[in-house]
Amino acid sequence: ILNVEQSPQSLHVQEGDSTNFTCSFPSSNFYALHWYRWETAKSPEALFVMTLNGDEKKKGRISATLNTKEGYSYLYIKGSQPEDSATYLCASLLTGGGNKLTFGTGTQLKVEL
Amino acid sequence: EPEVTQTPSHQVTQMGQEVILRCVPISNHLYFYWYRQILGQKVEFLVSFYNNEISEKSEIFDDQFSVERPDGSNFTLKIRSTKLEDSAMYFCASSKETQETQYFGPGTRLLVL
Repeated sequence: ILNVEQSPQSLHVQEGDSTNFTCSFPSSNFYALHWYRWETAKSPEALFVMTLNGDEKKKGRISATLNTKEGYSYLYIKGSQPEDSATYLCASLLTGGGNKLTFGTGTQLKVEL
Repeated sequence: EPEVTQTPSHQVTQMGQEVILRCVPISNHLYFYWYRQILGQKVEFLVSFYNNEISEKSEIFDDQFSVERPDGSNFTLKIRSTKLEDSAMYFCASSKETQETQYFGPGTRLLVL
């Protein structure tokens, strides 16, 4: 994997559904993986920074896992609510890459009533 | 909670004109960044700034771009002679330490006509 990729590109779920999406990133020279939540007209909100293989982080109903050996991270949302509707971005940071975040295209989540 | 602010939220300019985008990073942060997102594309890194100098820049950040921290609070991005392809959402971000969470502002949407 040469670039940061996210799937799916968009997702429609019903309120109460649990959902997950994937971020794939280059595993060589990996330093950290960042997840952001971005609602239109607002600042992208930092959700998690993950560095260690096997890391699991949780914030309310949102959690994330990290596999640095195979180069992927999953973001899970349990019991989706309409306010979870947003674009979820992941970005990788490399060792020796300074502070340059390399972003994926994002997964656009729409939670319907 | 401290946040990164950006002004203006929208700017429309004519091709060839100079624009200055302004950002106020979080007050105790030391590292500052500019990113941009052209519509439909990934968020991409432009430049990072630390200790009053550029620490890293991308290929996009050519001689038409410059950054400055004119006082203790503002961080600006200047585009000297705008091109149509400079139309994008420009995000400012800041972090307290190197390779830590980057906190983003809400962006300035620049439209070059």
